[in-house]
Order: sequence, then C-alpha cells, then structure tokens
Amino acid sequence: EAEVAQSPRYKITEKSQAVAFWCDPISGHATLYWYRQILGQGPELLVQFQDESVVDDSQLPKDRFSAERLKGVDSTLKIQPAELGDSAMYLCASSTTGGYTEAFFGQGTRLTVV
Amino acid sequence: QKEVEQNSGPLSVPEGAIASLNCTYSDRGSQSFFWYRQYSGKSPELIMFIYSNGDKEDGRFTAQLNKASQYVSLLIRDSQPSDSATYLCAVMDTGRRALTFGSGTRLQVQP
Repeated sequence: EAEVAQSPRYKITEKSQAVAFWCDPISGHATLYWYRQILGQGPELLVQFQDESVVDDSQLPKDRFSAERLKGVDSTLKIQPAELGDSAMYLCASSTTGGYTEAFFGQGTRLTVV
Repeated sequence: QKEVEQNSGPLSVPEGAIASLNCTYSDRGSQSFFWYRQYSGKSPELIMFIYSNGDKEDGRFTAQLNKASQYVSLLIRDSQPSDSATYLCAVMDTGRRALTFGSGTRLQVQP
C-alpha cells in the first residue's frame, strides 16, 4: 500500500541548532503539504507545493524556516535556528490534483527543542 | 480567515452507542470535507471524505454534509473503546486546494 514516507520519526535538538525533515509523497501525488501540529491543536499549514512550485507559504516563518521540493517529488523542511517554541509534530501530507481527492499523511516527525 | 470549528470535547459515549461529531466551516468555496482520526502521538489517519450534500456511509461510519448550513458531521455506530481518539475535521477549498483543519474533538468510548 502506498504511503507518505517521513524521516526522522523523532528528533531532539538544542536551541539555535539547525534541523531538517524529509518527506517522500505517494507516487504520482503532485500536491505536497507540510503541517505543524502543537499538542492539543489541529494541524496548521506551513507550506503547500504543487509539483515544485510553492502555492502557499503564508504561515511559514520565513526568517527561520525554509522548504523546497526541487524536482517536484520529495521535499525537505528546514529550521535554522531552532527555538524552544518549535517543539511540535511536523506532518507531511500529499494528494493528487484532479477532481475530488483524499490527502494522506505520513507518520510525522516529533521535534523536541531543548 | 477561513475557519473550521469543532467542539474540543471530550465527548464521552458508552460502548455500543452512536457517537456524533460535528464541524462547521466558514468558507462557502469549500469543495471537499474530510474526517481524520488521530491517536495520541500518532499522525492523522483518513477515515472518510465527502463532497456532495447528504450522507456517505462506510462501515460503521457515516459522514453527513449540508453545504447550505456549512455543516459536516461524522456518526460512529456501535462505538468501540478502540474508537477513542481525537477526530479532526478538515476542509479543502476549490482554488488552491488548501486543507484547513479544525482543532479536533476528543472522543472517549467507555467500556
């Protein structure tokens, strides 16, 4: 069964360090989303890609966060420098673009900044 | 600001009962509506999606959509303790296909 792959599953980093997360969407899914979920809240969209293009990054803290999807397939989300408030679950999801379509999530990366 | 509203709960139901989870949304341009289940510490798992007014059934789950009232619900029949989780409502718009989530409703099924 096709899945969205994410790595690492867990990451502990010190404040001010750099951290990166990787996502490989389901094959053929042109739309890729990165979400951040703080404990007790719903996922919040950070960035949305259509192929290699950014569709929406209005909620991405661009002073410290960056995201890329160079070949329109896998994607990397980076935080530099990490802050204590960045501790959260980082979720990647993907979907097709045509018609009515489901969006599927990967297992997520649990980030703890100490 | 596009909003998706859910009661945070917890919603507590006895085993075997029907659990009813509700969601309202503000964007009339919304196209598709999703229900995800999320266990503690895990990622959201898609249960159902619906895009036409009316009911859609899948096993013990029924999604109901009323676009005029901007309301979507999820019914879980014969609730089981394993259904205890947070249920997230999500809405996809017609334009850029952004997926906006509510804050979730925590369901507790009592044995």
